[in-house]
Amino acid sequence: GAVVSQHPSWVICKSGTSVKIECRSLDFQATTMFWYRQFPKQSLMLMATSNEGSKATYEQGVEKDKFLINHASLTLSTLTVTSAHPEDSSFYICSARGGGDEQYFGPGTRLTVT
Amino acid sequence: QQQVKQSPQSLIVQKGGIPIINCAYENTAFDYFPWYQQFPGKGPALLIAIRPDVSEKKEGRFTISFNKSAKQFSLHIMDSQPGDSATYFCAASGYDYKLSFGAGTTVTVRA
Repeated sequence: GAVVSQHPSWVICKSGTSVKIECRSLDFQATTMFWYRQFPKQSLMLMATSNEGSKATYEQGVEKDKFLINHASLTLSTLTVTSAHPEDSSFYICSARGGGDEQYFGPGTRLTVT
Repeated sequence: QQQVKQSPQSLIVQKGGIPIINCAYENTAFDYFPWYQQFPGKGPALLIAIRPDVSEKKEGRFTISFNKSAKQFSLHIMDSQPGDSATYFCAASGYDYKLSFGAGTTVTVRA
């Protein structure tokens, strides 16, 4: 149980375009979903928190107009990187929390902006 | 400012050895302390977690020791195997469930 999927697993896009990443909890309803960013050989940095049906809350320094988050249902959250630039290239990982403390992570999405 | 400090950055052990990873925190509002294992190119996987009212927890070959007064906790991997070679992250969260991660420890288990 507690499986979280992400799609796509990797994506390459041109500078200036937008990219959407999906995060789904497959076998449980996610009270909260979180989005993280991880650079090579670094730790995970929380970008934003989203609850179903409400606006996402962003961590300090994260541009909410650049990283659009939609939590449409209890099993789906999406992250859209708008007008992507090479510095947005990173490993984006979502996590989902059910009713308890445990957070289960997706497999990640590797974004490369050329 | 990193809220959870993790050490060492990397360590190498022989098969059967016991890697020990240490973490320290300052925020006394933290009340949930999980450990994650991450392989290259994959998302982190929850290994084991502990709350401050317990001093030790074991799950399989993984043991967490927790010292509330010192605000420190550690992960021990018993009888380590080459398949345990990965990066391990400690983390902490409070009432808002937001995880603050340590910097990570790369563990290499030599056969």
